[in-house]
Amino acid sequence: TQLLEQSPQFLSIQEGENLTVYCNSSSVFSSLQWYRQEPGEGPVLLVTVVTGGEVKKLKRLTFQFGDARKDSSLHITAAQPGDTGLYLCAGADFNSGYALNFGKGTSLLVTP
Amino acid sequence: DAGVIQSPRHEVTEMGQEVTLRCKPISGHDYLFWYRQTMMRGLELLIYFNNNVPIDDSGMPEDRFSAKMPNASFSTLKIQPSEPRDSAVYFCASSLRPITDTQYFGPGTRLTVL
Repeated sequence: TQLLEQSPQFLSIQEGENLTVYCNSSSVFSSLQWYRQEPGEGPVLLVTVVTGGEVKKLKRLTFQFGDARKDSSLHITAAQPGDTGLYLCAGADFNSGYALNFGKGTSLLVTP
Repeated sequence: DAGVIQSPRHEVTEMGQEVTLRCKPISGHDYLFWYRQTMMRGLELLIYFNNNVPIDDSGMPEDRFSAKMPNASFSTLKIQPSEPRDSAVYFCASSLRPITDTQYFGPGTRLTVL
């Protein structure tokens, strides 16, 4: 099992602030996904990155896949209370089958 | 489409009892995944199916756990006998294709074993 470490574990900020959360591993991944999970619900896919160095933007969210495909970051600009949730990264290695390995997540709270 | 449907949403049982969790994937999705989420261990893959056939069950904790997919629209995860350490939220997810394709998660079943 390829371990994914996410940091920070918890983050509490005020509306309008910027933040970055990280997903790191010693293993190389073929692809990496970011999910957001709200209380009482299942995770929802935000983005998939597959190319080292790739940057994807989704409105105020910017995702980056490391050049070596071992790490990723999620940057949120001008956070809003609606961004509150658990952010999970999940990596897959095409050579090891079709299983996703999830990190434990970063729990984000954005207060008005 | 209604999305992935799981039942029950909450289950409270006593140690030693049999528990059956149910999942209806999105129609047309070839892959079905069962996950378990706890604070300590995060989200763990238990087993996944492709076209109703179990492909990888290496995540199933022990023989007390079993999963079936008798047809393309229904899957069950059974725990017999249940133990307090099985308390967790169990998610079912489905996708058209694996890995880079979107996995659609159900709302989960919160299991509490007393």
